[in-house]
Amino acid sequence: DADVTQTPRNRITKTGKRIMLECSQTKGHDRMYWYRQDPGLGLRLIYYSFDVKDINKGEISDGYSVSRQAQAKFSLSLESAIPNQTALYFCATSEPGGSGEQYFGPGTRLTVT
Amino acid sequence: SQKIEQNSEALNIQEGKTATLTCNYTNYSPAYLQWYRQDPGRGPVFLLLIRENEKEKRKERLKVTFDTTLKQSLFHITASQPADSATYLCASPPRSGANNLFFGTGTRLTVIP
Repeated sequence: DADVTQTPRNRITKTGKRIMLECSQTKGHDRMYWYRQDPGLGLRLIYYSFDVKDINKGEISDGYSVSRQAQAKFSLSLESAIPNQTALYFCATSEPGGSGEQYFGPGTRLTVT
Repeated sequence: SQKIEQNSEALNIQEGKTATLTCNYTNYSPAYLQWYRQDPGRGPVFLLLIRENEKEKRKERLKVTFDTTLKQSLFHITASQPADSATYLCASPPRSGANNLFFGTGTRLTVIP
């Protein structure tokens, strides 16, 4: 079984809809991250969480919110989706300290029409 | 502002040759740099980390260098194979003590048989 899973893997939604992307991990890591990836712009950090009570904004948090329901679960919400939120979304985890090596999920391809 | 850049969007090389990918950073001094491999439709996978006090790191056919004077890391794949074809990303913490990473836009490597 994959260590970091994301659901759904693909989603098409309409402008203005609320959508939630979910991430679960079995690695036992405290740190979790949400990124979006766009062609030519690379991976950009949306939010990150270092434990259940710690949530931090990344470089592009506007239009997004997150919830850390448990150590193993970190959800990303788009309250009112817009077309420029069409992208590939990745969840990642890491251990505290050390090298900061991150483990990524398989991604969610989101299309907002 | 801090930047991490991979100036080559794509690189094609013949099988058996050495591929060299470049990562440059400006306006900061990262404590370490990481390199990831990303295959189409998948999340990035960690390959190597090199710290600022290390000149070179090796892992099998992979070699990474870190030149703090040039503000550059080079990633080499020796005896390249078609299976090495992928996008390679460099990443670093955006400032001293930061616990998150930011990523370059990646170089898409194609190894031609």
